[in-house]
Formats: sequence, C-alpha cells, structure tokens
Amino acid sequence: GNSVTQMEGPVTLSEEAFLTINCTYTATGYPSLFWYVQYPGEGLQLLLKATKADDKGSNKGFEATYRKETTSFHLEKGSVQVSDSAVYFCALSSGNTPLVFGKGTRLSVIA
Amino acid sequence: DVKVTQSSRYLVKRTGEKVFLECVQDMDHENMFWYRQDPGLGLRLIYFSYDVKMKEKGDIPEGYSVSREKKERFSLILESASTNQTSMYLCASSLPGNRNEKLFFGSGTQLSVL
Repeated sequence: GNSVTQMEGPVTLSEEAFLTINCTYTATGYPSLFWYVQYPGEGLQLLLKATKADDKGSNKGFEATYRKETTSFHLEKGSVQVSDSAVYFCALSSGNTPLVFGKGTRLSVIA
Repeated sequence: DVKVTQSSRYLVKRTGEKVFLECVQDMDHENMFWYRQDPGLGLRLIYFSYDVKMKEKGDIPEGYSVSREKKERFSLILESASTNQTSMYLCASSLPGNRNEKLFFGSGTQLSVL
C-alpha cells in the first residue's frame, strides 16, 4: 500500500539556518506529493505540492523536488525564521484514494 | 476563503458516553474527511465521504461511525467512548473532480475521554 516516511523530530534550528526535512514514499502508480504545515493551535494547511516526477513545488521560501528515482520529496528552506516553527507533514495521493500522511516533523526555530 | 468549522475546540467525556463531533464547511465541497492526530503516529484516516449519504471506511474506523445527511456537514460519532480514543480530531474537505488536491482543515477538536 501507499506510505510516507519522514524524518523524526523534533528539529531545532537557529534563525537563518538551512532546513532539510527528509521524506520518502512508497506508492503504486504515479502519486502526487504534498507538504502540509500545522502552526500551533491551527489545522493543517497546504504548503506546496508536486504532481509529477522532477516537478518542484515552492511556497514561502520552501522548496521540494519530486524525485522518482529516489522516491523522495525532501523539504528545504535556505534561511528559516522563528515564524516557521510548526509541524510539517509529508503526504501523498495516488488515484482516487485519500491523502496518506507521514508522522510529522516538529520544527522549532530559536532567535 | 474556505472555512471548515469544528464545533468544539476542547471536549471532555466519560468512558461509555456517546460522543458527536461536528464539522461544517461553507464552500460546497463534495469531499469530507475525518482524521485523528496522535503524537508519534501522525494523521490517520478514520472515515471519508465523497457525497451526501455516502461514507467509506478509512484506515482506523473501529469504534467510530459517521453521518453525512447534508453536503456541508460531516459528523463523527463515537458510539461508546473509550480512553484510547483520547486524541485530536481533524476534519477536512476538498473539491470534487481531482480528489487528491488541496485539503482544507478545521482547527481540530481535542477530545479527552476519562
């Protein structure tokens, strides 16, 4: 079945540091890949997505590239801010099935 | 903006009680979902619905049921609450057609079963 594995947290970084959160997937067919973010006290919201191999999703300075050869969709940001502190979820969908989420990675950015 | 509203932010119930969690969306979305979120386990799908009166089991439906009498409302029911159902419950909705695009989430209901 479909599944997503993402690096365990928590991740603690200083402001302006480089961020990578690893995500790999297992899926049948050609899935779409997503990153969702959950800020404290809120529901999840879509951060970025990629729907086919080699696509790069980007938003708010975050980027992720759909790598079919390594079945990966790692999230990166060149310079994190305190306001980026949140829980990040990698997710995939394939066909008409609902989204499958990873376990989430908590990021804390300190000034 | 799409709004997904969950009726309660915090809820405390006793073991054995019947619990209703309500979710309403205001953008005429066909698709609605219930997930639970637990530390170290991420989000797990309980039930979903792609149309009124329609429901399908997700990955962990045991101990839960749902009701979708109107398009905008999707209720999660705990028939007899147990302590292992203490969790954060998240409702979500999305547009029809491509069912795997953007989900809009509510803020969640933190349920404690004592």
